[in-house]
Amino acid sequence: GENVEQHPSTLSVQEGDSAVIKCTYSDSASNYFPWYKQELGKGPQLIIDIRSNVGEKKDQRIAVTLNKTAKHFSLHITETQPEDSAVYFCAASSHFGAALIFGKGTTLSVSS
Amino acid sequence: DAGVTQSPTHLIKTRGQQVTLRCSPKSGHDTVSWYQQALGQGPQFIFQYYEEEERQRGNFPDRFSGHQFPNYSSELNVNALLLGDSALYLCASSLSLSPKYFGPGTRLTVT
Repeated sequence: GENVEQHPSTLSVQEGDSAVIKCTYSDSASNYFPWYKQELGKGPQLIIDIRSNVGEKKDQRIAVTLNKTAKHFSLHITETQPEDSAVYFCAASSHFGAALIFGKGTTLSVSS
Repeated sequence: DAGVTQSPTHLIKTRGQQVTLRCSPKSGHDTVSWYQQALGQGPQFIFQYYEEEERQRGNFPDRFSGHQFPNYSSELNVNALLLGDSALYLCASSLSLSPKYFGPGTRLTVT
């Protein structure tokens, strides 16, 4: 079955710096890759997603890139702010309706 | 527009007991998935319900069962609770091929 590896497990940056989180997946049939942000005591919040027919997608300060050949995808956050501090999860599935397989998460800390 | 809601927020049970968790999907959504999130880990897929039937199941024992009602709300039942069942249980809803939106979760503690 699908396996998703996520790195790093923790990431500390200064406010205004960029942050990059990387994930790799094992199942070549996976074609949908969402990213979730989870704040303490809350459920995961969808922040951006990408499908396999697209190489990159941007939404303001957040971007996701996908390399299907290498089976990896990355989350890029520019101009980080303290409110970006949270746990970020990548996930993969074979299509929108299928089960999501999550990475173990990255704890991002943005200090001002 | 209310998002995904779950109840209760927290509960404490004793080993061997049974528990029922409830989920109301986001308005307009017809598919409900349940995930278990252990402390410090990513969510793990338990099962998914669509049109009142279990459509997909993850690697969880039969002690975990569910139900979806005609109004698309759902229940997760866990029998014969083990200490290892302590976790945050998340419900996610979606509409057919749309992205999944998660609720705030139910924190289950088994003592």
